[in-house]
Order: sequence, then structure tokens, then C-alpha cells
Amino acid sequence: EPEVTQTPSHQVTQMGQEVILRCVPISNHLYFYWYRQILGQKVEFLVSFYNNEISEKSEIFDDQFSVERPDGSNFTLKIRSTKLEDSAMYFCASSDRGLWGYTFGSGTRLTVV
Amino acid sequence: KQEVTQIPAALSVPEGENLVLNCSFTDSAIYNLQWFRQDPGKGLTSLLLIQSSQREQTSGRLNASLDKSSGRSTLYIAASQPGDSATYLCAVRRRAGGTSYGKLTFGQGTILTVHP
Repeated sequence: EPEVTQTPSHQVTQMGQEVILRCVPISNHLYFYWYRQILGQKVEFLVSFYNNEISEKSEIFDDQFSVERPDGSNFTLKIRSTKLEDSAMYFCASSDRGLWGYTFGSGTRLTVV
Repeated sequence: KQEVTQIPAALSVPEGENLVLNCSFTDSAIYNLQWFRQDPGKGLTSLLLIQSSQREQTSGRLNASLDKSSGRSTLYIAASQPGDSATYLCAVRRRAGGTSYGKLTFGQGTILTVHP
């Protein structure tokens, strides 16, 4: 069964550093997403991406965040200057035109120290 | 703003019991509803997807129902097993125009423990 692959599985970074979280969505999917889950809290939407541009973003997704699809397979989330409160599990997901729902990756646990 | 609530927050049952997890949402203008399973520290595994036009979906011992007009869904697990122990998340996908197929809004989950 096709999978969404995320790397790394766990990243520790110092406050103020830039991090890039990487994802390889399912190859024939058209819609790409990032969600995050702070420990003990709900999974929350960050951003959706379609046709090489952001189609929707949440209020969390401020100027410190950016997404990119640098080639035909990767989808990245960059946090420019990490804060302690950015510590969370970040999930990448992809979707086709809606028939089959979302497929999530296994997540990247980001720890900001 | 869509709000999704799951009841109960936690459930502990002996092996073999049939159980029901509940999900309610405030805005009935949804595109579909998806149930996920999350093991501790792991990703989200899709269990069942119900389109807004459907009433239920079944997969093995799992059955999910949807009553869009009342803003409710239930996940029924038959003959529970210790391996079913996990957090179960309900998420609704809102209907959106244009090229966006809408973000998912999640409930807080039900933590299920099935003991032998």
C-alpha cells in the first residue's frame, strides 16, 4: 500500500535555529498538507498546498513557516527560527481529489531546546 | 468555526466486549469524515472514511456511521482485542470551494484500553 514518508523521525534543535522537515507524498496525489500535534493536544491544521502554491493556511502558519515542493516528489516544511513552543509532532499528509481521504506519514517529532 | 468533540475521553474494557466511540461536530457542511487510529508516539492510521452522502462504512470488526444532519458519527468495534488499544481520532473535512478540498478538523480522541 502506498505510503507517505517523513524524515527525520525525530529532530532536536536549539531555539532560534532553522529546521526543515521532509516528506515524500504518495506519487499520484495532488494535495499536500502539514499538521502538528503538541503533546496532549489535538491534531491541528497548518497548511495545504496544491498546484505549487498554498491553498489554505491556519493562523499558526505565520511568517516563520514556509512550505516548498522543490521537485516532483518532496514536500518540505521550514521553520526559520524555532521557538520552544514549536516542539510538537509534525505530520505530513497527502490526498487525491477527495475520494479516498487523507494518508498521513508517521510524523517527525521536533524538540526545541 | 467547526468544533469536533469525542466522547468518552478514555475507555477501559475487558477483551471481547463490543464498544462504541462517539464523535460530534458543530457544522454539518462536511465533505467527509474519517476515523484514525494513533498508537503512542506514532502516526495516524486511517481506519474508515465516510463520504457525506453515505450513512455507514464497514471494515472487518469496525463499523462507522454518519448522521450528518445531527452532526454525529459513531465507531463501533466488535469483539475488542488487546491489540485494539490505541487512541481513536475522528476528523471532519469541510466542504470548500475552488481547488481546496478543505482541511481536517480533529477531535481530541478517545483513549481505548482493552485488557486481557
